[in-house]
Amino acid sequence: DTGVSQDPRHKITKRGQNVTFRCDPISEHNRLYWYRQTLGQGPEFLTYFQNEAQLEKSRLLSDRFSAERPKGSFSTLEIQRTEQGDSAMYLCASSGGYTDTQYFGPGTRLTVL
Amino acid sequence: QKEVEQNSGPLSVPEGAIASLNCTYSDRGSQSFFWYRQYSGKSPELIMFIYSNGDKEDGRFTAQLNKASQYVSLLIRDSQPSDSATYLCAVNTGFQKLVFGTGTRLLVSP
Repeated sequence: DTGVSQDPRHKITKRGQNVTFRCDPISEHNRLYWYRQTLGQGPEFLTYFQNEAQLEKSRLLSDRFSAERPKGSFSTLEIQRTEQGDSAMYLCASSGGYTDTQYFGPGTRLTVL
Repeated sequence: QKEVEQNSGPLSVPEGAIASLNCTYSDRGSQSFFWYRQYSGKSPELIMFIYSNGDKEDGRFTAQLNKASQYVSLLIRDSQPSDSATYLCAVNTGFQKLVFGTGTRLLVSP
């Protein structure tokens, strides 16, 4: 059990560029979550997958954000036309079986210049 | 009213003391409750989870849940400087997503 992994760990981009993040969940976990955390705040839910199906998406998530989990394993989160307000830590978590306990990856810190 | 509320702190305790962290939530339908520890610049690390009213102990940590009063607490016994971190309370309201408080910063002084 290697835990949740995320790539890259840090990303610096210029405003208007597109960025893509990857998350690999714990191998036996079928549920995968994306959260965003800004300084001084708790993580904020973005979206949730069960296997390959995206079952919930936050109303706060603009159309510039899209997430996929095509084979029910790893997931990608893409942000198009980045804005300075997108600067945050993007966290991925997974859970599995009968428990709803979520385990977080190390996060991807995005800085938009 | 925020869904999950925590005092932002900092809560300062001397080494060896008991640290008491509190959290209230607004959704009476909430099913499960979690405490995560987060060091500066790192991701949240699961400390405890609790589903039923009462106390749950794990080593130096005790989680307490009172659904009637809609509060959850975390006690840390024999606090150590390495416990200095932000403690996040999270609530699952039954729709799989976790709703987090803003966290309480704990400082344990040697």
